[in-house]
Amino acid sequence: EPEVTQTPSHQVTQMGQEVILRCVPISNHLYFYWYRQILGQKVEFLVSFYNNEISEKSEIFDDQFSVERPDGSNFTLKIRSTKLEDSAMYFCASSEGARANTGELFFGEGSRLTVL
Amino acid sequence: GQQVMQIPQYQHVQEGEDFTTYCNSSTTLSNIQWYKQRPGGHPVFLIQLVKSGEVKKQKRLTFQFGEAKKNSSLHITATQTTDVGTYFCAGEGNNDMRFGAGTRLTVKP
Repeated sequence: EPEVTQTPSHQVTQMGQEVILRCVPISNHLYFYWYRQILGQKVEFLVSFYNNEISEKSEIFDDQFSVERPDGSNFTLKIRSTKLEDSAMYFCASSEGARANTGELFFGEGSRLTVL
Repeated sequence: GQQVMQIPQYQHVQEGEDFTTYCNSSTTLSNIQWYKQRPGGHPVFLIQLVKSGEVKKQKRLTFQFGEAKKNSSLHITATQTTDVGTYFCAGEGNNDMRFGAGTRLTVKP
């Protein structure tokens, strides 16, 4: 069964360092997402991406964050200068649906980011 | 922006009891989805509701979408220990899928 894969599974970094989290969405999917989940809390929307551009972003997704689809398979989230409060599980998701009915989101296993 | 509220935050039941979690959106939704997240795991899709007033069943789980497409509920009949986890609703507005805070269900055998 096709799945969304994420790397790394866990990254520890120093405050102020740049971090890149990588995702390989399911190959025929059109919409890609990043969510984050601080331990024990809700799943928070960061950004959605469609047709090689950001479709929607939340108030959390400030200038420190960027996303890119550098080739036909990878979808990356970059945090330019990490802060302590960026420590969380970051989930990538993809879906095959169309605008306003994106269909089932398939989530990756997540990348746990720890900022020291 | 769109907000999705979900209650209760926690629910602890005895095995065999029923369980319900409720979601409300500040705006009309194009559709609503439900996900289950086991401890230490990632959200896994359960179902999507699209039509006003829609009701769908999956074995012991019943999902409802309100007439105004602003609220939804998930009801589990006769809970089992395998139902343990956090249940999230996720409402779709424009181009994003916003999750509720989740209801963490624990089941005592």
